[in-house]
Order: sequence, then C-alpha cells, then structure tokens
Amino acid sequence: GQQVMQIPQYQHVQEGEDFTTYCNSSTTLSNIQWYKQRPGGHPVFLIQLVKSGEVKKQKRLTFQFGEAKKNSSLHITATQTTDVGTYFCAGHANAGKSTFGDGTTLTVKP
Amino acid sequence: GAVVSQHPSWVICKSGTSVKIECRSLDFQATTMFWYRQFPKQSLMLMATSNEGSKATYEQGVEKDKFLINHASLTLSTLTVTSAHPEDSSFYICSARGTGTSGELFFGEGSRLTVL
Repeated sequence: GQQVMQIPQYQHVQEGEDFTTYCNSSTTLSNIQWYKQRPGGHPVFLIQLVKSGEVKKQKRLTFQFGEAKKNSSLHITATQTTDVGTYFCAGHANAGKSTFGDGTTLTVKP
Repeated sequence: GAVVSQHPSWVICKSGTSVKIECRSLDFQATTMFWYRQFPKQSLMLMATSNEGSKATYEQGVEKDKFLINHASLTLSTLTVTSAHPEDSSFYICSARGTGTSGELFFGEGSRLTVL
C-alpha cells in the first residue's frame, strides 16, 4: 500500500534558525496536504499542493511539491517559539483517503 | 472554517467496559469521516473510514468487532471501543473532509482514553 515517509523525526533549532521537513511518497500523489499539531492539540490544516512543481508561501512558511508529485517539503524561515509543534504531511492518492507521514516535531530554543 | 467537535475530550474507564466517542460536524455535512489513533509522539494511524448510511471501511489490522463505528447521520459518527483493555488506551481523533475545493481535513479535538 501507499507509504509516506517523513524526515527528520525531530528537529531542535535556536530561535531565528531555519527549519525544513521532507516527505516522500512511495506512489505518485494527486495532492499533498500539510498539517500542524501543537502539543496537546489536534492537527490543523496548513495548505494543500496539487500541481507538479508547485510552490506556495505563507509568511515565513514555504511549501514545495516535487515535479514527480512524490515528494514535498515545508521550510520555515527564521523560526519563532510559536512555530513549535509537530508538522505532518498527508499524501492523497486514492479517492477519500490520505496517508499521513510520521511527522516532524520541531522545538525552538529561545 | 468548518468545525468538527469530538466528545468526550477524555475518559477513564475500567477494563472490560465499553466507551463511546462522538464526532460531529457542526456547520457542514460530512458523508465521510475518518477515525485515527495516535500514540504519544507518533503519527496518526488511520483506523477506519466512516461512511454515512453504510458500513465503515476498516484498515488492515483494525478489529471491526473491537472498534464499532456508526455513521447514522450526515453530521455524526461514533466510535465505540468495546470491552476496553489497558492496551486500548490512546488518543483517538476523528476528521471530516470539508466541502470546499481545498479538500482539507478538519479534525476534532481528540479523545484521550485511559483504561484502568
């Protein structure tokens, strides 16, 4: 079945440093979504990427979708303490079901 | 944005009892809802897809008789953990896909189950 691998599992950064998490799917995706889960909370939708090679930005966050639509990345520029949490990618290949990556937990030292 | 409400937020029960968790879409109709289980510091494990008016579709390895799912209306899906045991203790989360073009999933707040 479809697998979505996400690395790294954990990332500790100093406030102001950049952060990147990567997702790789075993199959070609129709779209990929990114979610953020704060400690003790539930996942919250960040963005969806659909087109091959697509790049989207949300303030300090940059999302990319690979040309082959099998990989994606989330990059945060100049991290802040409010960025802490676990970032999940969710790959959507079949109708209705998304496969979540294992998540990358980001901690930011002030 | 769309709101999905999950209840209860946390529950403690004795081993052998059954626990029901509700997932409601408050301002939209959801023909499909998803149930996940999440262990500490781990990812979301899809348990089943709940379909309104029909049987749920369970993922491989998930016991249908253990985790009963009912999706009786377009705004409510329930997960019942039957004859709960300590190993069933976990964080259970539901989600529903929004009706907009983004296809985003809206998650409930989650239910933390502790079985003594």
